[in-house]
Amino acid sequence: SQKIEQNSEALNIQEGKTATLTCNYTNYSPAYLQWYRQDPGRGPVFLLLIRENEKEKRKERLKVTFDTTLKQSLFHITASQPADSATYLCALWAYGNNRLAFGKGNQVVVIP
Amino acid sequence: EADIYQTPRYLVIGTGKKITLECSQTMGHDKMYWYQQDPGMELHLIHYSYGVNSTEKGDLSSESTVSRIRTEHFPLTLESARPSHTSQYLCASSERRVAGGGETQYFGPGTRLLVL
Repeated sequence: SQKIEQNSEALNIQEGKTATLTCNYTNYSPAYLQWYRQDPGRGPVFLLLIRENEKEKRKERLKVTFDTTLKQSLFHITASQPADSATYLCALWAYGNNRLAFGKGNQVVVIP
Repeated sequence: EADIYQTPRYLVIGTGKKITLECSQTMGHDKMYWYQQDPGMELHLIHYSYGVNSTEKGDLSSESTVSRIRTEHFPLTLESARPSHTSQYLCASSERRVAGGGETQYFGPGTRLLVL
């Protein structure tokens, strides 16, 4: 069956450090992988999109990598700030599915 | 901040009542979606639309129905609410690309529904 796996344990990290989140998937052939941020009680907000033929994408303090061989994406927040505390969702758009499939998300807590 | 709105934000209602959750977007997007999300769980697609008069069921079986009479409006209706419908409902929209797929989705703030 198709799965998108993100760590269910919250990531607690000291302010200023780099937070790294992992998204693993099975039985998907994703054309695009997206990362969203979700704050409690709110809808997700789009952060970054990376295509299957791209290895890395950056936006300000955010960096995403995409390894289709390992079937994995890594999401990095450099110089983390307390305002970065949120849940981060991985989402795949795969050929044949024609819809965005979401992981459960990984919570990040940045400690001042 | 995305221009997509949902009302009400919170709703507490008794079993058997009919409810309509409203969703509107002002971005002129062709595609609209309804997701259901329980705490700590992934978003499940329950309905989507590719344009006016187009509606499709998503991956998660749902007793709700939707309509798309205007581009900007995509309401979701539950004819008879049950406690199992208690959840957060998120509406989203995206542009339609010629090549299809991978479009950024813009989400509303969600409606938190509690059925007693």
